[in-house]
Amino acid sequence: DQQVKQNSPSLSVQEGRISILNCDYTNSMFDYFLWYKKYPAEGPTFLISISSIKDKNEDGRFTVFLNKSAKHLSLHIVPSQPGDSAVYFCAASGWGTSYGKLTFGQGTILTVHP
Amino acid sequence: DADVTQTPRNRITKTGKRIMLECSQTKGHDRMYWYRQDPGLGLRLIYYSFDVKDINKGEISDGYSVSRQAQAKFSLSLESAIPNQTALYFCATSDLSTGEGETQYFGPGTRLLVL
Repeated sequence: DQQVKQNSPSLSVQEGRISILNCDYTNSMFDYFLWYKKYPAEGPTFLISISSIKDKNEDGRFTVFLNKSAKHLSLHIVPSQPGDSAVYFCAASGWGTSYGKLTFGQGTILTVHP
Repeated sequence: DADVTQTPRNRITKTGKRIMLECSQTKGHDRMYWYRQDPGLGLRLIYYSFDVKDINKGEISDGYSVSRQAQAKFSLSLESAIPNQTALYFCATSDLSTGEGETQYFGPGTRLLVL
């Protein structure tokens, strides 16, 4: 049972344009959501997070949107740069059996072309 | 210096061998985690520890064991390695007292190949 899903295995974007990565979840106990970026031969690095009390959080070129009713979050990168090319994972945590743990999606490979 | 380190970075072993992957952290975090990454499956939790005396199974703990030797050290053992344990293994840390919620910080990973 995949509680966090990233349905797009890959995304290709031109430099300077917007990249939109999507993530859906099924567990209504999730209340904290994160995005991680991973380069080859490195561990995932924390990018941005959002609490369920908010619907938007911005950090420079990165914005995360949360739609609780749809159980959907997205990461917007504007403008996209070639250095953004990496695998992006969304993750979620919450209460009950999710307390203190992160559940990850499968990841989306983002390629930004110069 | 890296805050979360893992040794070895790469390991090749044979079926049936016992191996240990080690994780050390200098972040002073109480919580430590072991994940494996397989293509198309994301990161899956093997074991986690909220403090030195607390060890919990994750979603895929069969075939693995862990030891929390100190706040800063968390080791993962494969008692008898099998080929489907070939994967990337990551250690992570977190600490709720930092005010960062459940944000976890990852080591660089260990690439394990079981022949």
